[in-house]
Amino acid sequence: RKEVEQDPGPFNVPEGATVAFNCTYSNSASQSFFWYRQDCRKEPKLLMSVYSSGNEDGRFTAQLNRASQYISLLIRDSKLSDSATYLCVVNSAGNMLTFGGGTRLMVKP
Amino acid sequence: DVKVTQSSRYLVKRTGEKVFLECVQDMDHENMFWYRQDPGLGLRLIYFSYDVKMKEKGDIPEGYSVSREKKERFSLILESASTNQTSMYLCASSFPTTGQLYNEQFFGPGTRLTVL
Repeated sequence: RKEVEQDPGPFNVPEGATVAFNCTYSNSASQSFFWYRQDCRKEPKLLMSVYSSGNEDGRFTAQLNRASQYISLLIRDSKLSDSATYLCVVNSAGNMLTFGGGTRLMVKP
Repeated sequence: DVKVTQSSRYLVKRTGEKVFLECVQDMDHENMFWYRQDPGLGLRLIYFSYDVKMKEKGDIPEGYSVSREKKERFSLILESASTNQTSMYLCASSFPTTGQLYNEQFFGPGTRLTVL
């Protein structure tokens, strides 16, 4: 079983739609959680950290469920520019991160 | 702005060649990382360095070595390139974890290596 699992998609949604991605992690000792965004042929960049209480940044909401060991990302009012691959990332200990395989989102006009 | 640069965007080498991939960061980060990214497998950590001359193996170190002689530079070495090392290689850097605070990793643009 992979340490961090994501549905690879693609998720094809129309502009303005709300879309949600889930990610599960296997290490119950995991401490920090993140969503990174990777545009086609570009490097990953931090989108947002995920806090235990849940957090929001504009149209993006991230939630953590430690009991079920999953994190989620909700995107409201999708824009064409949101088209990218979203990487679920977990820090279990020390300085290393474990990346999920990514979920591809395509927003259509 | 944090800048992480990699020596080449595209590289083509032959089986058995020695290959050097260079990474330089300008933010005085202690931590530096080398990953490879393959379709369906995501990013996998090859090696990590938390200080000059220090290194730790990641998940897939076989066939690779690293060198960190200066804080800003982290090199990945393929001693004898093989076709299964064809991949996108990404370098990243960060400040070290402090307590519960994990600091963001900043990535370079990547090097797409093809081994023929």
